[in-house]
Amino acid sequence: KAGVTQTPRYLIKTRGQQVTLSCSPISGHRSVSWYQQTPGQGLQFLFEYFSETQRNKGNFPGRFSGRQFSNSRSEMNVSTLELGDSALYLCASRPGGGSGNQPQHFGDGTRLSIL
Amino acid sequence: AQSVTQLGSHVSVSEGALVLLRCNYSSSVPPYLFWYVQYPNQGLQLLLKYTSAATLVKGINGFEAEFKKSETSFHLTKPSAHMSDAAEYFCAVSDRGSNYQLIWGAGTKLIIKP
Repeated sequence: KAGVTQTPRYLIKTRGQQVTLSCSPISGHRSVSWYQQTPGQGLQFLFEYFSETQRNKGNFPGRFSGRQFSNSRSEMNVSTLELGDSALYLCASRPGGGSGNQPQHFGDGTRLSIL
Repeated sequence: AQSVTQLGSHVSVSEGALVLLRCNYSSSVPPYLFWYVQYPNQGLQLLLKYTSAATLVKGINGFEAEFKKSETSFHLTKPSAHMSDAAEYFCAVSDRGSNYQLIWGAGTKLIIKP
């Protein structure tokens, strides 16, 4: 079974631009979560999508948005990029049917650098 | 609100020595708990999970963790450290109040001395 796939792996942008990151979950998984990881702040939860609906949201500004498609693939968008948005963005999937013992399965992340 | 505390942002052990990474959680209900490992430039990989079936949980790569309700702890151990164990380790608890969103600890970097 293929794992979680994130594209692209690396991305360089400049301040003020916008960016879209993509995540393909494991086949059959309907929940996709996004995280931002930085050396100073650790792993920060952005949002979770389940069956095309945002189910949970972290404490990030509205510049960070996401969506999920009917095939469970998800995209994350960041507008008006700031230097502080430089981070590793991780996507994780799980079946999502409501059982708390489901672990999340992670992709290798997209490393975003803002110049 | 649930929370997870990992004691020690960095832990250093010699190769062949015991590895002990600490995790304490706060939860008003029986929790689901997880340990993940992250190698450089990679995503997180599940090491093991506690789901109330047994208090001692065995995971991959020789790691295990013991759930102690009285101490609200879920410490990760490995009898003998290998150089390949050098990585960052994260403990997480599943939050029933938010559709089982994972609440994460800050992580512990494990350093292996030759």
